[in-house]
Amino acid sequence: AQSVTQPDIHITVSEGASLELRCNYSYGATPYLFWYVQSPGQGLQLLLKYFSGDTLVQGIKGFEAEFKRSQSSFNLRKPSVHWSDAAEYFCAVGPNNNAGNMLTFGGGTRLMVKP
Amino acid sequence: DGGITQSPKYLFRKEGQNVTLSCEQNLNHDAMYWYRQDPGQGLRLIYYSQIVNDFQKGDIAEGYSVSREKKESFPLTVTSAQKNPTAFYLCASSTDGHPETQYFGPGTRLLVL
Repeated sequence: AQSVTQPDIHITVSEGASLELRCNYSYGATPYLFWYVQSPGQGLQLLLKYFSGDTLVQGIKGFEAEFKRSQSSFNLRKPSVHWSDAAEYFCAVGPNNNAGNMLTFGGGTRLMVKP
Repeated sequence: DGGITQSPKYLFRKEGQNVTLSCEQNLNHDAMYWYRQDPGQGLRLIYYSQIVNDFQKGDIAEGYSVSREKKESFPLTVTSAQKNPTAFYLCASSTDGHPETQYFGPGTRLLVL
């Protein structure tokens, strides 16, 4: 069965500092990978996704993520964090075998931004 | 504008009462999903439907029921059998097939009185 681990429950960074949120997955083959962001009391917004090809994917709001097959990781990065980036971030994995559309989500990482 | 709407934003349930959460989408998506989110946890799948008049149980379906009579609507009923219903409920939809990207509604927070 597929699973997703986000090791950091909370992360605090200063505004303007760089950010990396970790995501590790367990899946038998190369999965589809996603990062979503959730503001308090809101739904999830898709930041970026990886299906195939270039392992470095660019997303919205200046975010990027790198798929590393050897490490089973899909870490999210941003070079300079803005106060508006404070939110909860979820990594998700989906199967790439046409067998269904189910996503498995990690537990989330809550990002706090210090002024 | 296309999107997913959920109503109400907040819902209160009394002991022994069934309540129904609404989810509507005008994206012409075939598949729809219901997730439950508890504080500090990720999303857990309750039910999903890949086509009208068909739906499947997810990981935590006990105490919940759904229907899919129309493509654009996928209401979730939280029954009295669900002993711990307080949570944030998220509805999502996607085009059927792959690759897969799910789009989420704004959520409904259910509280027990």
